[in-house]
Amino acid sequence: GNSVTQMEGPVTLSEEAFLTINCTYTATGYPSLFWYVQYPGEGLQLLLKATKADDKGSNKGFEATYRKETTSFHLEKGSVQVSDSAVYFCALPGRSGGGADGLTFGKGTHLIIQP
Amino acid sequence: DTGVSQNPRHKITKRGQNVTFRCDPISEHNRLYWYRQTLGQGPEFLTYFQNEAQLEKSRLLSDRFSAERPKGSFSTLEIQRTEQGDSAMYLCASSSGLSGNTIYFGEGSWLTVV
Repeated sequence: GNSVTQMEGPVTLSEEAFLTINCTYTATGYPSLFWYVQYPGEGLQLLLKATKADDKGSNKGFEATYRKETTSFHLEKGSVQVSDSAVYFCALPGRSGGGADGLTFGKGTHLIIQP
Repeated sequence: DTGVSQNPRHKITKRGQNVTFRCDPISEHNRLYWYRQTLGQGPEFLTYFQNEAQLEKSRLLSDRFSAERPKGSFSTLEIQRTEQGDSAMYLCASSSGLSGNTIYFGEGSWLTVV
């Protein structure tokens, strides 16, 4: 089944620092890839997605490029803000336990931005 | 779009009681999903519906859990005889089922079993 591995957190950075959160995946074929963000006490919000290899998804200053050669979809942002503090989840369609529908998520990376 | 709506947002219940959560998906989304999320973990799939049909259930969904989507619109998730291990956030999500399969989540319903 499909699976996602993302870097463990928490990741603590100072405001305006450069951010990278690593995500690698195992999948059959070339599925769409997603990053979701979860603010404290809230549900998940779609941050960005890429639907095919070499696509770059972007939103709110965040970017991620679908790399089939390295099976990666790392999340980057050039200058983080305190308001970016949240938990970030990498995800892809299909489930690790089998089944084609729904999403499989990584364990999440808690990002803490200090002023 | 009004987004995926869930209620109640928070529920505290005593062990052994029954609880029910409601989800209203984005209108015209024919797929609806339930996930469970515990602290420090990513969401885990519980079940999903295509219109009113429940097509798949995870082994995480014990026989104390039941989900319905009677008219293919809103859905309910009921937990009977709650246990402390049921304490979690229950997330509902919906999608159109089209290619790309972007899934949109609600705000979640927090359950605390005491």
